[in-house]
Amino acid sequence: AQSVTQPDIHITVSEGASLELRCNYSYGATPYLFWYVQSPGQGLQLLLKYFSGDTLVQGIKGFEAEFKRSQSSFNLRKPSVHWSDAAEYFCAVGAHGSSNTGKLIFGQGTTLQVKP
Amino acid sequence: KAGVTQTPRYLIKTRGQQVTLSCSPISGHRSVSWYQQTPGQGLQFLFEYFSETQRNKGNFPGRFSGRQFSNSRSEMNVSTLELGDSALYLCASSDLAGSSYEQYFGPGTRLTVT
Repeated sequence: AQSVTQPDIHITVSEGASLELRCNYSYGATPYLFWYVQSPGQGLQLLLKYFSGDTLVQGIKGFEAEFKRSQSSFNLRKPSVHWSDAAEYFCAVGAHGSSNTGKLIFGQGTTLQVKP
Repeated sequence: KAGVTQTPRYLIKTRGQQVTLSCSPISGHRSVSWYQQTPGQGLQFLFEYFSETQRNKGNFPGRFSGRQFSNSRSEMNVSTLELGDSALYLCASSDLAGSSYEQYFGPGTRLTVT
């Protein structure tokens, strides 16, 4: 069965510092990979996605993520964090096949706190 | 394009009642997926509809049901509400032309069961 693990439940970084949020997945093939962000009381906003090709993908708000097949990882990075980046971040996997249609599997989320 | 809209945004119901939530997808999107988000279980897939047909279903009891209309709008219904049904219910729409599973989420409906 597919699964997604975000090892860090909570991360605190200083404004202007770099950020890396970890995501590991379990799936037999290369899945579709996503990062979403959720502000309190809001829905999820898609930051970036990986389907195939270049393993380094760029997203909105200055975020990027790197797919590493050998490590089954899809870590999210940002070189300089802004106070407005404080939110909860979710990594998600979309598996292939008719039995998985329309279904994303999410990690438990990482809450990012930004110190001034 | 307008985003995914969900109504109502907040709802308070009593245990044993039933509730209907509505979702309007992005124009042109034909797939609608529903998720339940709780602090304990996180984000869990409920079901997915495409062209008025349920194509996939998560591991939820039969009290949870849904439907999709010809204009792609979708509703989900929860009957005989339990306290544990209190959650944020999110719907997401997708243009499956590329079968990419790229989903766009609405703001959610916050359901509180008392």
